[in-house]
Amino acid sequence: DIQMTQSPSSLSASVGDRVTITCQASQDISNYLNWYQQKPGKAPKLLIYDASNLETGVPSRFSGSGSGTDFSFTISSLQPEDIATYYCQQYDNLPRTFGQGTKMEIK
Amino acid sequence: EVQLLQSGGGLVQPGGSLRLSCAASGFTFNRYAMSWVRQAPGKGLEWVSTVSPRGTTTYYADSVKGRFTISRDNSKNTVYLQMNSLRAEDTAVYYCAKNSGYYPDVFDVWGQGTMVTVSS
Repeated sequence: DIQMTQSPSSLSASVGDRVTITCQASQDISNYLNWYQQKPGKAPKLLIYDASNLETGVPSRFSGSGSGTDFSFTISSLQPEDIATYYCQQYDNLPRTFGQGTKMEIK
Repeated sequence: EVQLLQSGGGLVQPGGSLRLSCAASGFTFNRYAMSWVRQAPGKGLEWVSTVSPRGTTTYYADSVKGRFTISRDNSKNTVYLQMNSLRAEDTAVYYCAKNSGYYPDVFDVWGQGTMVTVSS
């Protein structure tokens, strides 16, 4: 199985800060990488697909980059409504696997 | 509006069975793969299973292979997860999700989730 390692596991930042999460795959997954946001008690929501493509309707402050084994997800200006846990997910191989999540908090 | 409405779930004893349903609306159901993803209490996301658009191909995580069966009825725009021989470690919120294509690639729409508790 492909292991997806996210860093950090939690992140505390101020409103307006630029924040970045990284996701490392245990083997080359090309750009087959998605990012999801999950707010407490809610279902996950797709934000970024194919490593860098913004899902329709998602604010442009969210972005993704990377290929191969190293990926990053950035919020350019953190907003209060961005409080959530963020997950990366690979779809290069079965089983599909997710990172362990990064919990975003506001300082 | 694209929507997935889940039903089923609840409390079941170890070794028991349960069937989850997920009714889709707002898109051409038979053009997309459908999946189940679960989340144990306080834990991360785990992909469980996927069925191809026509229901001819299925994929399973090793943790559920041989115990769970995914199926779909395209005439009812519904996907199912039949769960047998349930174990305590199957306790989780189960989400159905629409895939963006034929394969379990991108999970672009999610249901509201349904809790399954396996306990005596």
